Amino acid sequence: GENVEQHPSTLSVQEGDSAVIKCTYSDSASNYFPWYKQELGKRPQLIIDIRSNVGEKKDQRIAVTLNKTAKHFSLHITETQPEDSAVYFCAASINSGYALNFGKGTSLLVTP
Amino acid sequence: GAGVSQTPSNKVTEKGKYVELRCDPISGHTALYWYRQSLGQGPEFLIYFQGTGAADDSGLPNDRFFAVRPEGSVSTLKIQRTERGDSAVYLCASSVGGGTGELFFGEGSRLTVL
Repeated sequence: GENVEQHPSTLSVQEGDSAVIKCTYSDSASNYFPWYKQELGKRPQLIIDIRSNVGEKKDQRIAVTLNKTAKHFSLHITETQPEDSAVYFCAASINSGYALNFGKGTSLLVTP
Repeated sequence: GAGVSQTPSNKVTEKGKYVELRCDPISGHTALYWYRQSLGQGPEFLIYFQGTGAADDSGLPNDRFFAVRPEGSVSTLKIQRTERGDSAVYLCASSVGGGTGELFFGEGSRLTVL
């Protein structure tokens, strides 16, 4: 499938700071962009998603932005807390279908 | 059960052996997906079922991999003549229906091929 590039691979922030994770995709047919959080040894869980007809979506401390022209989308976490520490994966739908291409993940560490 | 259930949680096998991994999705979820996740990587799509039929199997790496969902609920991923490169965590996910939306993942089946 088409690639989803994710940066950075690791991110360390102090509690209370903001964290930003960026992804780019290559499939112009992609129309659905979810973000999953995976804690160590646990299953991935959806934290937020955005569809291609929307440029930004916010849910409490988490926001996602989408630039369809540039084919990139970003996750913003404000007022980070130690429990935000986990691996975050971005994903893009494959050929506007239901399967997803995932990025390689960003390991976020929030230090008290 | 309340969530997606996968068995076995761990499977160690020898190269060349046959392996079956089972997934029991959330009751009422018509869509079921198989992904595999290698260490330090994101989940990699394998196959998607809508009901009993495989709607998209483009992610299966080769003909050693096969999956079924005969009654539209439980699914089995079958791997023949396993190779060391098949070692990974195999994740199953289900969702309410067709179309994009939240995937509910199981805990995964960790396969180790010696």
